[in-house]
Amino acid sequence: EDQVTQSPEALRLQEGESSSLNCSYTVSGLRGLFWYRQDPGKGPEFLFTLYSAGEEKEKERLKATLTKKESFLHITAPKPEDSATYLCAVLGETSGSRLTFGEGTQLTVNP
Amino acid sequence: DAGVTQSPTHLIKTRGQQVTLRCSPKSGHDTVSWYQQALGQGPQFIFQYYEEEERQRGNFPDRFSGHQFPNYSSELNVNALLLGDSALYLCASSQGQVLDNQPQHFGDGTRLSIL
Repeated sequence: EDQVTQSPEALRLQEGESSSLNCSYTVSGLRGLFWYRQDPGKGPEFLFTLYSAGEEKEKERLKATLTKKESFLHITAPKPEDSATYLCAVLGETSGSRLTFGEGTQLTVNP
Repeated sequence: DAGVTQSPTHLIKTRGQQVTLRCSPKSGHDTVSWYQQALGQGPQFIFQYYEEEERQRGNFPDRFSGHQFPNYSSELNVNALLLGDSALYLCASSQGQVLDNQPQHFGDGTRLSIL
């Protein structure tokens, strides 16, 4: 059974203070690892897909990296508008089309 | 380009009642998946519909059922509602049944409260 653990549960940063969110996963044959952003009262918004260890993707202040056991979402010089819950999900070889999500990291960036 | 749309946005029901939630996929998408998200938790997969058939199902009881129409829109039905069914119900669409190269795109969900 696929498993995803995200840490920390919550993170509070000052504007401009860079940090990283962690997503540890257990899956039988990774087909894809997905990062989503979710604002309160909204659905998850797709950010990145990573497929293989060593892969990196960037979008504005966000950079996602992948190893064989975990993924990191690096946030460089965050702004208050980056405040949201960040969700990680995996798709394994035996998953079909079923995404398995972690519980998310709630990020708050103070001005 | 319209994204995934869900209706209604909020719904209040009492225990034992039945509810139907609706979803229109993103333009060009033909596959719809439903997820349940409890407060403070990640989404949990309920089932997926492709070509008007349920293709995959998560660990949810038979009280949860669905349907997909020829225009790719979908409904989620829940019978005999329990207090524990209170959650945000999310619809996600994608192109094709296999997700390897196509991420799922989510709607903003229906907030279901059971009294």
